[in-house]
Amino acid sequence: SYDLTQPPSVSVSPGQTASITCSGHELGHKYACWYQQKPGQSPVLVIYQDTKRPSGIPERLSGSNSGNTATLTISGTQAMDEADYYCQAWDSSSVIFGGGTKLTVL
Amino acid sequence: QVTLKESGPVLVKPTETLTLTCTVSGFSLNNTRMGVSWIRQPPGKALEWLAHIFSIDEKSYSTSLKSRLTISEDTSKNQVVLTMTNMDPVDTGTYYCARIHSGYPLGYFDYWGQGTLVTVSS
Repeated sequence: SYDLTQPPSVSVSPGQTASITCSGHELGHKYACWYQQKPGQSPVLVIYQDTKRPSGIPERLSGSNSGNTATLTISGTQAMDEADYYCQAWDSSSVIFGGGTKLTVL
Repeated sequence: QVTLKESGPVLVKPTETLTLTCTVSGFSLNNTRMGVSWIRQPPGKALEWLAHIFSIDEKSYSTSLKSRLTISEDTSKNQVVLTMTNMDPVDTGTYYCARIHSGYPLGYFDYWGQGTLVTVSS
């Protein structure tokens, strides 16, 4: 089975850049998506097809995907960015989620 | 305006069958570029994809749960139904339905329901 691995937690100071990685075998050959989930809320799509942002998602969130790693980058991190982030990709006709990363804004 | 809403029992007993309904609006289940998926999340844990349906002929299931799951749709009611047999306490969690925009390999979940918490306990 195909697995996506994320660090359990990432910490960042306000105004700094946070990078959350998602690793999988030849992930760069697939499309990666990212979801943000705040406590008690449903997940929200923040990046799709590696680099695209849905309308309403701030430009400070960006994505990349190459080799075995997809990365979600949050520039100028704000307190409102504190949340759990999940990567997602397809393995044939099945959907795979990463284990999630808790982003803490200190 | 696209919306999805989950409904079903809050509490089920071990060994029982769970039936969840996702009622959608703002898009058509006849649009085969759009599908509906079920995703669950145990308390404090990660998201887990369960199944999706794009049409009566295009369904897919989680490999680990395939023997217990059935997904179907009633386009006249704008509903997608998931059944999960032989429920166990480890199946406790929040169950979400979400719209999939496009299928493999481009697809992504662009709209999510609010989720419904299902507890499995005797």
